Amino acid sequence: EVQLVESGGGLVQPGGSLRLSCAASGFTFSSYWMHWVRQAPGKGLVWVSHINGDGTITTYADSVKGRFTISRDSAKNTLYLQMSSLRAEDTAVYYCARGFNYMDVWGKGTTVTVSS
Amino acid sequence: QSALTQPRSVSGSPGQSVTISCTGTSSDVGGYNYVSWYQQHPGKAPKLMIYDVTKRPSGVPDRFSGSKSGNTASLTISGLQAEDEADYYCCSYAGSYTFVFGGGTKLTVL
Repeated sequence: EVQLVESGGGLVQPGGSLRLSCAASGFTFSSYWMHWVRQAPGKGLVWVSHINGDGTITTYADSVKGRFTISRDSAKNTLYLQMSSLRAEDTAVYYCARGFNYMDVWGKGTTVTVSS
Repeated sequence: QSALTQPRSVSGSPGQSVTISCTGTSSDVGGYNYVSWYQQHPGKAPKLMIYDVTKRPSGVPDRFSGSKSGNTASLTISGLQAEDEADYYCCSYAGSYTFVFGGGTKLTVL
């Protein structure tokens, strides 16, 4: 079964850091581009970041550029999102999703709360 | 990276058809045939319904269809059913490996 499982969310103070993980199974992880998408409470989906299969191409939304870093470990079939200088507005459910020009497999999300 | 524009809400009765629009610019929706649509029920992860403007993934009913004209993409749901009630989001490639979502549309089945 094709599956994505996010982890690593939690409560963090403003200015703090957090690393999210997304464990992939059921498909050849290294063959797929991957995304991070977030959704603030009661709000819509927002694209955050994108990475190609071998990790050599990474892109970011302007709102997180310079603060977030996407990476992947094909040996562990895991996608990461390193988040630093966190702000209250980064509070959201973070989803990982598979795909290049569309997202055909999604995880259930992990919740990040930035608050003092 | 401005969000694509969707109506906040649409509604229809069972059996009717509804269309949800998604308006962008020539730098995103109008510039590429990479528009996708997602259905999200409360508390659930999004589900891909349409990709590459008009294509439907396996398992998605053919009641769901997509189209595009200029800078506006549309999702049409025909033969509305109660289970179609959800939030719907469009997403477009915006060049340089970046993407942008619409603000979302709440579909109510009356």
